[in-house]
Amino acid sequence: SQQGEEDPQALSIQEGENATMNCSYKTSINNLQWYRQNSGRGLVHLILIRSNEREKHSGRLRVTLDTSKKSSSLLITASRAADTASYFCATDSGANSKLTFGKGITLSVRP
Amino acid sequence: GAVVSQHPSRVICKSGTSVKIECRSLDFQATTMFWYRQFPKQSLMLMATSNEGSKATYEQGVEKDKFLINHASLTLSTLTVTSAHPEDSSFYICSHRTAGEKLFFGSGTQLSVL
Repeated sequence: SQQGEEDPQALSIQEGENATMNCSYKTSINNLQWYRQNSGRGLVHLILIRSNEREKHSGRLRVTLDTSKKSSSLLITASRAADTASYFCATDSGANSKLTFGKGITLSVRP
Repeated sequence: GAVVSQHPSRVICKSGTSVKIECRSLDFQATTMFWYRQFPKQSLMLMATSNEGSKATYEQGVEKDKFLINHASLTLSTLTVTSAHPEDSSFYICSHRTAGEKLFFGSGTQLSVL
């Protein structure tokens, strides 16, 4: 069943701008992860945030987690054309080590 | 990180034939491999969990006789789509989860059944 729901579904920005993507989920989680997928390729792990963490940074990525609202956001600062891809949030509820993925957000960064 | 090699990257086959997809763990031993299916512009749907040396665990609604999973060694898991039909056309991806909780994915296989 779908757990994470990202919004917006599609985002188009100019190179250099920041991109903010949101994810909402329904059940309690152990951690939430963000992945990136280039067209026709497998997914690449970007960042993981645990349920007891509120914010995490990795390079140009900043992820926040609000467990009271059951939501997370991924911010990509100073975007580049190479950031064009689909981005998925995935929740880990600790049940059988399975991750549940959202529908994904398509990010287009115009050069 | 853990490298997962998936082959083939693309396959076109006739309806009724079987297709085998391989996933190899190159620098680690994978006791568990996850197999996902993805339709265009859709999310990943977990099909089954492949366990080395034992039977795979299939998700609800996934036909185990249709999608045969074999995990005979710690470095190789295979998914065979038997008697493929056009509705089986999809993107199939394998992944392995490390002790660090994140998933490492293969590059995916685009299956087109004519």
